[in-house]
Amino acid sequence: QKEVEQDPGPLSVPEGAIVSLNCTYSNSAFQYFMWYRQYSRKGPELLMYTYSSGNKEDGRFTAQVDKSSKYISLFIRDSQPSDSATYLCAMSRNSGNTPLVFGKGTRLSVIA
Amino acid sequence: NAGVTQTPKFRILKIGQSMTLQCTQDMNHNYMYWYRQDPGMGLKLIYYSVGAGITDKGEVPNGYNVSRSTTEDFPLRLELAAPSQTSVYFCASSAPGFDGYTFGSGTRLTVV
Repeated sequence: QKEVEQDPGPLSVPEGAIVSLNCTYSNSAFQYFMWYRQYSRKGPELLMYTYSSGNKEDGRFTAQVDKSSKYISLFIRDSQPSDSATYLCAMSRNSGNTPLVFGKGTRLSVIA
Repeated sequence: NAGVTQTPKFRILKIGQSMTLQCTQDMNHNYMYWYRQDPGMGLKLIYYSVGAGITDKGEVPNGYNVSRSTTEDFPLRLELAAPSQTSVYFCASSAPGFDGYTFGSGTRLTVV
């Protein structure tokens, strides 16, 4: 079983839809969870991060972590064509020098 | 503030050739990383460094070497290039704590 599993999609939704992106993981030691957005032919950029379980909201984006189920989610409300990108989940055991482990990424297209 | 700068942006190598991918950051970050990204495969860690003079292997280090003589620079060396090393290479850096990574714009390498 891979440490981090993420459905690669592609996922295509109409503009204004609510998008749900998900990752599962196997390592119960993971405590820090991040979502990166990567536009085509660009480097990933940090979108949101959370520590341990719970929710975090930033504008149209909400990140959720359920450590008991080893499951994390990213919700995008009122999706826009500019949200079209690949979304990568990432996680690590601590905030220090333990490198992030990334999911494969989910490619999202928001159709106007 | 340039962030993380990678050079070159594109390169075509012949099998057996060698090259160095350059990475420089100007944020005084302690930690630096090299990842490779293959289509649909997410980001895989090649090497990382927690400070000048200290490097460690990641998930896929074979065929690569690194050095970290200064805080700013973290070059990745490919010896005897093989077609399996055709990929997009990303360098990233981070500070202690939980701020996420800053990625460079990537180097697209093709080995023919």
